[in-house]
Amino acid sequence: DQQVKQNSPSLSVQEGRISILNCDYTNSMFDYFLWYKKYPAEGPTFLISISSIKDKNEDGRFTVFLNKSAKHLSLHIVPSQPGDSAVYFCVNAGNNRKLIWGLGTSLAVNP
Amino acid sequence: DAGVTQSPTHLIKTRGQQVTLRCSPKSGHDTVSWYQQALGQGPQFIFQYYEEEERQRGNFPDRFSGHQFPNYSSELNVNALLLGDSALYLCASSLGDRSYEQYFGPGTRLTVT
Repeated sequence: DQQVKQNSPSLSVQEGRISILNCDYTNSMFDYFLWYKKYPAEGPTFLISISSIKDKNEDGRFTVFLNKSAKHLSLHIVPSQPGDSAVYFCVNAGNNRKLIWGLGTSLAVNP
Repeated sequence: DAGVTQSPTHLIKTRGQQVTLRCSPKSGHDTVSWYQQALGQGPQFIFQYYEEEERQRGNFPDRFSGHQFPNYSSELNVNALLLGDSALYLCASSLGDRSYEQYFGPGTRLTVT
C-alpha cells in the first residue's frame, strides 16, 4: 500500500510553460516533505523541501505547495526548461526521519 | 569536494551467492543510508548507519546487513541472493540532524541470475 502516491507516471510540458507535479499522501504523521530529481544513471538529487508547519516554499523557479487538509502537495516549475527533464520523486518523512518515496513522475520538457 | 561514491557500478551474481556493496559518504557527512530501487519503483529504505551503528531499518530480511567504519564509509551485504534482489542499490549520506536532505551516489546495479 503506497503511503506516497504520484498518480501521474509521466508529464510532458512545453519549454517556458509551467510544470505541475502532484503528490498525495496517507500518513498524517509525516512532518517533512521533499522533492528529489533523478537523471538517468545518476542518484537522486535533493531539490526542495517543506515543513508541515508551512504551506509554501519557494526556491528560484521551484515552488512546493502543501495542503495538509487534503494531504496533497505539488511542485511547480516555472518557467520549465529542457534541463528539467528528469524523474521527480515526492518524498515524505516522519519524525523518525525515515524517508518514504513515491513511484516518481517522469517530466519531459520539450524545446 | 568529493560527493558520494559507490562501488562497484555493476555486478552480476548467481542465486545463493553473497554480495558486498561499498559506499563512501560526501565529505563531512557522518550518516549513511541504503536504499533498494527496483525497476519502475521509488527507492525503498533498507537501513541507516550512524556512529557505526544501525539506527533504523526498513522492511528487509536479515539477509541484508551492513556496517559502518570509523571513517563513515559503509558496506551493504546481502546473503543468499534471490532473483528478486536484482535492483539498483543506492547509498545516501547526510549530516546528523539534517538527515532529511540526503546526498545520493550513482548506485550499484545488481543483477542476480
